Amino acid sequence: AQRVTQPEKLLSVFKGAPVELKCNYSYSGSPELFWYVQYSRQRLQLLLRHISRESIKGFTADLNKGETSFHLKKPFAQEEDSAMYYCALRGSQGNLIFGKGTKLSVKP
Amino acid sequence: GAGVSQSPRYKVAKRGQDVALRCDPISGHVSLFWYQQALGQGPEFLTYFQNEAQLDKSGLPSDRFFAERPEGSVSTLKIQRTQQEDSAVYLCASSSGTVKINQPQHFGDGTRLSIL
Repeated sequence: AQRVTQPEKLLSVFKGAPVELKCNYSYSGSPELFWYVQYSRQRLQLLLRHISRESIKGFTADLNKGETSFHLKKPFAQEEDSAMYYCALRGSQGNLIFGKGTKLSVKP
Repeated sequence: GAGVSQSPRYKVAKRGQDVALRCDPISGHVSLFWYQQALGQGPEFLTYFQNEAQLDKSGLPSDRFFAERPEGSVSTLKIQRTQQEDSAVYLCASSSGTVKINQPQHFGDGTRLSIL
């Protein structure tokens, strides 16, 4: 079965603290994974994809095939990082399979 | 426009009515996807078009749901005889890629459908 699990519904941290949003996946084959972000009153937008191995807004994510994980990390959270974060897996037809999302709240 | 456009932004309908939701993808994008997002959940795949061809409709929850993209551009998602469980945000996404060529999906703002 193709599945994405985000175990935390809500993650609350203080500004400047490290952040890790967890994502685990189930997929037979070579997965393609993404993180999408939705800021308040904005549309869903791509944050990063594992194949590009880039850092966006200070966030990074490493694909760990042994642990079937793709956790999103940032060393120092900022208030503007507060948003809903969705981990997604590319399905066999090119569709995205999303987790339920984690709401990140960064407190001043 | 520069992005994916969906209309209406909000739709309220009585149970049993038919509704039609429109998606204008980014110009030139080959692929178009529809997703349904229930409250507190992530988006769930409904159907996929490559140009005018509907290549996958495995996610449509019932035969009350119908989607089309007759000219390979604008798409319409139609729900017949709406039920309360159809209440959700319906998202449209387009991509310049195909099944074999992976490119990012760009999402619209969605249509929030409420069935009374």
